[in-house]
Amino acid sequence: GAGVSQSPRYKVTKRGQDVALRCDPISGHVSLYWYRQALGQGPEFLTYFNYEAQQDKSGLPNDRFSAERPEGSISTLTIQRTEQRDSAMYRCASSLRESSYEQYFGPGTRLTVT
Amino acid sequence: DQQVKQNSPSLSVQEGRISILNCDYTNSMFDYFLWYKKYPAEGPTFLISISSIKDKNEDGRFTVFLNKSAKHLSLHIVPSQPGDSAVYFCAAGGTSYGKLTFGQGTILTVHP
Repeated sequence: GAGVSQSPRYKVTKRGQDVALRCDPISGHVSLYWYRQALGQGPEFLTYFNYEAQQDKSGLPNDRFSAERPEGSISTLTIQRTEQRDSAMYRCASSLRESSYEQYFGPGTRLTVT
Repeated sequence: DQQVKQNSPSLSVQEGRISILNCDYTNSMFDYFLWYKKYPAEGPTFLISISSIKDKNEDGRFTVFLNKSAKHLSLHIVPSQPGDSAVYFCAAGGTSYGKLTFGQGTILTVHP
């Protein structure tokens, strides 16, 4: 079956612009997770949802970052007024069970802020 | 504050031999551990996991060992194959539901 998909795969934006990153989880997976990965590092937790409810947003760096999953399926991570330090790989994962540690990752969106 | 550490950035092994990847953690709240494998241009792929109530879990060529007193886990791959060449991430859960904390990764190269 299809895995987690993310779009766009690459995004270049100018500082100060808003960006929206999309994640489409594996069909039937109830939980969805967002991570950010810097070069040479492991993924760093941002936030996650069970169905449409945001359970934990403790990893969001500041209030420019927000995420939603309004219908319990596709999720959007939005970064407002982007800064160069936001440049990273943004990864989405999903899991079959709620709040599970066994997460299945998508290919990521490479964001570059110039 | 790196709560999960993989101190070896890279490891090179001959095909057919054993690969041992190591991971240390500092937070005693962690009670579930996973290994992920990552190929270039792909997302991390779940490989194997272990709960803190066990000290060993085996799946085919892959075995994960957990030493809770030392806060250390390791992944053994026997025998190693060239297709195992990838970045391996150790991850830990337990501080809050759904949240994984990852190590920095170890690049494994298996030479034919």
